[in-house]
Amino acid sequence: EAQVTQNPRYLITVTGKKLTVTCSQNMNHEYMSWYRQDPGLGLRQIYYSMNVEVTDKGDVPEGYKVSRKEKRNFPLILESPSPNQTSLYFCASSRLDRPEFPQHFGDGTRLSIL
Amino acid sequence: SQQGEEDPQALSIQEGENATMNCSYKTSINNLQWYRQNSGRGLVHLILIRSNEREKHSGRLRVTLDTSKKSSSLLITASRAADTASYFCALLDYAGGTSYGKLTFGQGTILTVHP
Repeated sequence: EAQVTQNPRYLITVTGKKLTVTCSQNMNHEYMSWYRQDPGLGLRQIYYSMNVEVTDKGDVPEGYKVSRKEKRNFPLILESPSPNQTSLYFCASSRLDRPEFPQHFGDGTRLSIL
Repeated sequence: SQQGEEDPQALSIQEGENATMNCSYKTSINNLQWYRQNSGRGLVHLILIRSNEREKHSGRLRVTLDTSKKSSSLLITASRAADTASYFCALLDYAGGTSYGKLTFGQGTILTVHP
């Protein structure tokens, strides 16, 4: 089954404790992206990647890091989380050869930073 | 990058009625996509309309695009309780380069369909 898998689905942690949210897709998609969703602000893009070792900032990259060492994986790293990073996070992927192709989303990761 | 503005923010209707949601934007686009999000879940792609298209259908969904007014509408006909969800428009900017492959989402319309 084609899917984007995020882990964990829920995480409560404390300020400053490094965390990683993993994202994996099994569709051989070149393009992967991270979004955060906050009430009243919709979805905002954090980082995206067009292929292995190619990443770029989205609209709200501050406080986040990403890496793309393998095509299927695109982890989101919070080196020193802060309460303003409490949010619902989504990973998405799509083909890049035809950019109008739809994005496939994971089920989300709800992060609470205390 | 631009963001679509959706209207209304919330819509409440009875089963069997039609639901119409609108999305407006400011600059040229390559295409416009509509997504659905059930509570607490990821977004699911519904339908895409390219900038050179005016109308598309998919089952009970009808999307229109008016590039002169920079607006799009999503119509769900004969709504069902299972259509209750948030609906988002997403814009793919016209220019290539760094905008390539980047979608910008609106804030969404919350649709509630009462049985």
